[in-house]
Amino acid sequence: GIQVEQSPPDLILQEGANSTLRCNFSDSVNNLQWFHQNPWGQLINLFYIPSGTKQNGRLSATTVATERYSLLYISSSQTTDSGVYFCAVDRGSTLGRLYFGRGTQLTVWP
Amino acid sequence: DGGITQSPKYLFRKEGQNVTLSCEQNLNHDAMYWYRQDPGQGLRLIYYSQIVNDFQKGDIAEGYSVSREKKESFPLTVTSAQKNPTAFYLCASSVSAGPQHFGDGTRLSIL
Repeated sequence: GIQVEQSPPDLILQEGANSTLRCNFSDSVNNLQWFHQNPWGQLINLFYIPSGTKQNGRLSATTVATERYSLLYISSSQTTDSGVYFCAVDRGSTLGRLYFGRGTQLTVWP
Repeated sequence: DGGITQSPKYLFRKEGQNVTLSCEQNLNHDAMYWYRQDPGQGLRLIYYSQIVNDFQKGDIAEGYSVSREKKESFPLTVTSAQKNPTAFYLCASSVSAGPQHFGDGTRLSIL
């Protein structure tokens, strides 16, 4: 299967700081999703982004499919941003199934 | 409200027992998925279904079974053959090749 690597594995920030999370993948993909898993385990869709850049409030994401990576930017971080951020890719050959990275654990301190 | 409902939130299994996790969606999505998450890990695919009465094994299907008799429902049975069932189980659905949306999960533990 396709390999998905996320970095850094852990990130600790002070409230108000900015951060960049990275996702590298080993093969061409049909689509890419970023998720936030909160401390209760809920997995929330952040972005569905096969290529280009999207923004949603303080969060934005960029995928460069030709170079096989995606970046998630969090600006002015808040304590509620804490949790695990996952990147997942869809190869397209078996439509819809996602391959997940191991996530970045983000902790934001007040 | 449209969404994906998983039940129960917590489930305990005795040795030798089969247990069934429920997943229902009212989003009119064709595709449904079951994932397993172990502590500190990403999600791994157990089974998925693109249409009613059809499903495919994912990466870790051994010890699990599913059915897809209705579009809205995709129950997962954890059989006694699954020797390490303690995990967090997440169900998802999507339109074909669209973004996946997840339920709130079921935590399964061994008694």
